Amino acid sequence: ELKVEQNPLFLSMQEGKNYTIYCNYSTTSDRLYWYRQDPGKSLESLFVLLSNGAVKQEGRLMASLDTKARLSTLHITAAVHDLSATYFCAVDSNNDMRFGAGTRLTVKP
Amino acid sequence: DGGITQSPKYLFRKEGQNVTLSCEQNLNHDAMYWYRQDPGQGLRLIYYSQIVNDFQKGDIAEGYSVSREKKESFPLTVTSAQKNPTAFYLCASSIKEGRENYGYTFGSGTRLTVV
Repeated sequence: ELKVEQNPLFLSMQEGKNYTIYCNYSTTSDRLYWYRQDPGKSLESLFVLLSNGAVKQEGRLMASLDTKARLSTLHITAAVHDLSATYFCAVDSNNDMRFGAGTRLTVKP
Repeated sequence: DGGITQSPKYLFRKEGQNVTLSCEQNLNHDAMYWYRQDPGQGLRLIYYSQIVNDFQKGDIAEGYSVSREKKESFPLTVTSAQKNPTAFYLCASSIKEGRENYGYTFGSGTRLTVV
């Protein structure tokens, strides 16, 4: 069974600092997705990573995928308060998508 | 605008009652999914459907039922057999080309509360 693990589960950062969220998964897959969820809201797609070595950047967020290590990272550069949210990674398992437990990010002034 | 619409946004269920959550998409996506999210937790798969008139159980299907009579619609019924239905329910759809899955589009969710 495909398992997806994120860490950390909770992250409190100062504005302007950098940090990385990690997503490990247990079986072979070359498709990984990152989503953002604001409190009480739905999930918004951030990145779709479809091959080994894929790197995508949007603003202060950068996601990468290493399929050999079964690891994806979401790097936050110079955090701002607007990035406060819960971030989920998800891995495609042919029939459906398996989600990590989420990383709740709080960016403090 | 193409999208996926869930209704209602809030739903209250009495003990022993069945309720149906609506999910409609106009994205021409083949696959549709229902997830449940409990406070502070990730998403757990209830049911999914890859094609009209076919659907499969996910990890927590007990106490739920679905139908897929039309490509655009994938309603979820929460039956009285579901003992703890209070949660946030998310519907999603996706397009697949061969093995490529370009990710899910999510609806805005339905918050179900047992009263």
